[in-house]
Amino acid sequence: EVQLVESGGGLIQPGRSLRLSCAASGFTFGDYAMHWVRQAPGKGLEWVSGINWNSNNIVYADSVKGRFTISRDDAKNSLYLQMNSLRVEDTALYYCAKGLWSSNGGGFDYWGQGTLVTVSS
Amino acid sequence: QSVLTQPPSVSAAPRQKVTISCSGSTSNIGNDYVSWYQHLPGTAPKLLIYDNNKRPSGIPDRFSGSKSGTSATLGITGLQTGDEADYYCGTWDSSLSVWVFGGGTKLTVL
Repeated sequence: EVQLVESGGGLIQPGRSLRLSCAASGFTFGDYAMHWVRQAPGKGLEWVSGINWNSNNIVYADSVKGRFTISRDDAKNSLYLQMNSLRVEDTALYYCAKGLWSSNGGGFDYWGQGTLVTVSS
Repeated sequence: QSVLTQPPSVSAAPRQKVTISCSGSTSNIGNDYVSWYQHLPGTAPKLLIYDNNKRPSGIPDRFSGSKSGTSATLGITGLQTGDEADYYCGTWDSSLSVWVFGGGTKLTVL
């Protein structure tokens, strides 16, 4: 059974940093692209970032480019999102999602339950 | 403003059929596969349709997908109260080099 478990969320002040983690199990982690998707309160789903199977292709939404860094550790079956210079508008439930393919396209077939990030002074 | 355009809401009676549209452009829907997701806020989204019209294992055939040009459609037949949720389309945008979602459609089963 595929499982994705996010952690690392919390209440953080604007301008500070936070690192999210996603622990994966139930599939060959290193064979697939992985993504972060978020949902701000009262808003729709917003794709944040994706990393392909071998970390050679990393992409970001314009809203987080230059502030967020996605990475993966295949030995630990884990995905990460380093979030720097956080803004109030980054407040959201952050989901880890497994890509359908090894590349960044195709969509997402499994999702975690999310970890809540609240940016507020 | 989302790159992909969906109606904010749709509604229909139990056992009826509903369709949800998703409109894009030649750089996204017109150039790549579309997938659809069912989401109850605060829970994990669920993949309903991938590669325009394929259903993952466990998704009933009441759910269907189609694509024509720069638009895609999700169809749901035999509506149940349990189908009430938000539905999102998504695809890769080759011009922006990012994944894009529609704004979401809230389905109400009256």
